[in-house]
Amino acid sequence: QAVVTQEPSLTVSPGGTVTLTCGSSTGAVTSGHYPYWFQQKPGQAPRTLIYDTSNKHSWTPARFSGSLLGGKAALTLSGAQPEDEAEYYCLLFYTGGLWVFGGGTKLTVL
Amino acid sequence: EVQLVESGGGLVKPGGSLRLSCAVSGITFSNAWMSWVRQAPGKGLEWVGRCRSKTDGGTTDCAAPVNGRFTISRDESKSTLYLQVNSLKTEDTAVYYCTTERTYINGLYAPFGYWGQGILVTVSS
Repeated sequence: QAVVTQEPSLTVSPGGTVTLTCGSSTGAVTSGHYPYWFQQKPGQAPRTLIYDTSNKHSWTPARFSGSLLGGKAALTLSGAQPEDEAEYYCLLFYTGGLWVFGGGTKLTVL
Repeated sequence: EVQLVESGGGLVKPGGSLRLSCAVSGITFSNAWMSWVRQAPGKGLEWVGRCRSKTDGGTTDCAAPVNGRFTISRDESKSTLYLQVNSLKTEDTAVYYCTTERTYINGLYAPFGYWGQGILVTVSS
């Protein structure tokens, strides 16, 4: 099974910009991995922010955006808010129809 | 309003079995692909498996760690997704979430858009 890698932790200042990345042990992440990004706060179910690399749900704040960057999927938060402090997970699709989550990035807004 | 409500969790001994249920409302269940995701205490998310919509064949896929031990099924008449978990191991202890892998809400594509509150399965002797 492929391994999906994320930064274990990142810190951003309020109002600042931060980029989280998501890599694959099988090589470059492409649009064919249909990258997803989820936000999870303690005690809550995950919430989908980004699907298919860069598409947003109706509830996704405009300050979040998704892209492909240097062979990885990326989630950029521009103008961080205190409520953005959370764990962020990426999800990639692999041949055989299987999904694999990354280990998560703990984002601190400080 | 879309609702996913899991039930059937609890404490079970290693080697035991449970059947988790996920009752779905607010969407056209027959058209939805559904997935199970789990999260061990203090750990990250792990995709467990999916069940395609009946219109797409209703077939299932499971991740390698649970393949052969876990079975996913659905009952269209009850708009309910099931996860039969057998030969449980201590490492299967987790909160299990059901989620809408593929569905449309008011005509809008909303993949992995809706999640249940999760149900705890504890495997311990």
